Amino acid sequence: AQTVTQSQPEMSVQEAETVTLSCTYDTSESDYYLFWYKQPPSRQMILVIRQEAYKQQNATENRFSVNFQKAAKSFSLKISDSQLGDAAMYFCAYRSPTRTPLVFGKGTRLSVIA
Amino acid sequence: DSGVTQTPKHLITATGQRVTLRCSPRSGDLSVYWYQQSLDQGLQFLIQYYNGEERAKGNILERFSAQQFPDLHSELNLSSLELGDSALYFCASSGEGTTFRGASTDTQYFGPGTRLTVL
Repeated sequence: AQTVTQSQPEMSVQEAETVTLSCTYDTSESDYYLFWYKQPPSRQMILVIRQEAYKQQNATENRFSVNFQKAAKSFSLKISDSQLGDAAMYFCAYRSPTRTPLVFGKGTRLSVIA
Repeated sequence: DSGVTQTPKHLITATGQRVTLRCSPRSGDLSVYWYQQSLDQGLQFLIQYYNGEERAKGNILERFSAQQFPDLHSELNLSSLELGDSALYFCASSGEGTTFRGASTDTQYFGPGTRLTVL
């Protein structure tokens, strides 16, 4: 079974600075999808970014980008120009290609310091 | 707004009782997933339906059951409730998406969740 590990339970960043959240996963599949979801205090799960394993190019969404290292099974999230609204719990998730459920890591709580 | 709706937002009940949580997926989405998020826990997959049929089961207790109706909305039934069932229950939906090598690339979009408190 696939597993997802987020080794940083908590992190903090100064406003306007850059922070990187780590995620590693374990799988024997070659095709799969990776996601980062944000859960702010409202507890809503919000999709931040997604990456298809067959794509070598790292995904970017405005201030959010990933560093996808397939061989190392690593999928980190970089947040640039951090804003107070970025403060949230961030979950890394894995999904097999065939409409299967997401497998989540335990999350990283990000604090943004003004 | 993800387009996925869940009702009720909050539910407070007593041990031994039965409750029903409702989810309406995004328009056109055929897959519905249920997840449980307990305090200080990550999200655990419970069950998945695709176009009315059960597709996959996760760590779902026998006291829990679900179904997806012809209009594609889904209900999660929790019975003989225990204190440990207190959690945030999420529904997510996904569509067909584009395919690559025959596999779907759909993304799951989450509803706002139902917070269940068992006293």
